[in-house]
Amino acid sequence: DTGVSQDPRHKITKRGQNVTFRCDPISEHNRLYWYRQTLGQGPEFLTYFQNEAQLEKSRLLSDRFSAERPKGSFSTLEIQRTEQGDSAMYLCASSLGGVVAKNIQYFGAGTRLSVL
Amino acid sequence: GENVEQHPSTLSVQEGDSAVIKCTYSDSASNYFPWYKQELGKRPQLIIDIRSNVGEKKDQRIAVTLNKTAKHFSLHITETQPEDSAVYFCAAPSSLNAGGTSYGKLTFGQGTILTVHP
Repeated sequence: DTGVSQDPRHKITKRGQNVTFRCDPISEHNRLYWYRQTLGQGPEFLTYFQNEAQLEKSRLLSDRFSAERPKGSFSTLEIQRTEQGDSAMYLCASSLGGVVAKNIQYFGAGTRLSVL
Repeated sequence: GENVEQHPSTLSVQEGDSAVIKCTYSDSASNYFPWYKQELGKRPQLIIDIRSNVGEKKDQRIAVTLNKTAKHFSLHITETQPEDSAVYFCAAPSSLNAGGTSYGKLTFGQGTILTVHP
């Protein structure tokens, strides 16, 4: 697999339930990013990792959101006590990191979350 | 933090015409500007990018221009084809390191829906 893969592609859940998404980056990429995209908007940054270290979290990210990248490879994004406003496409991207010339972000196809 | 504004929000052209999408950014330290194309239900894909040491970059029918003084950059698509129809996003980096040689997240524009009519 040469691209970023995300699982599941679609998730429907009831309000108040917890959900977890998985992202597998391109194998040699040490940076991994999570973005959220709502209809008609550009991707909005949530958080990113360099290897297993979480380097930055958006101030918009509530305490109900948590992300991990335990071994510096795949990452999970968990949303606890989901709300209808969490309905969106959750995109993962990865990059080599380092200097600008090598830090191109490649995106996965996303997980579309619908909270009923 | 970085703020990116993109215009127009929708653009409709006839096949063979040119299309231009413009973006402005706020952080004068930004030095890398990618453009992504997103077809319906698919992932954003990088189509071209430019670094601040050049004013223009071209790849076949696609070109990007950068004006660092005015803090704006533009995407130009010539000889448009129906398969160019998609949403296009510009972006600029945030969380640059002290030397500007590395960055963290991207801040995206709001997107432009391009429709090319046959």
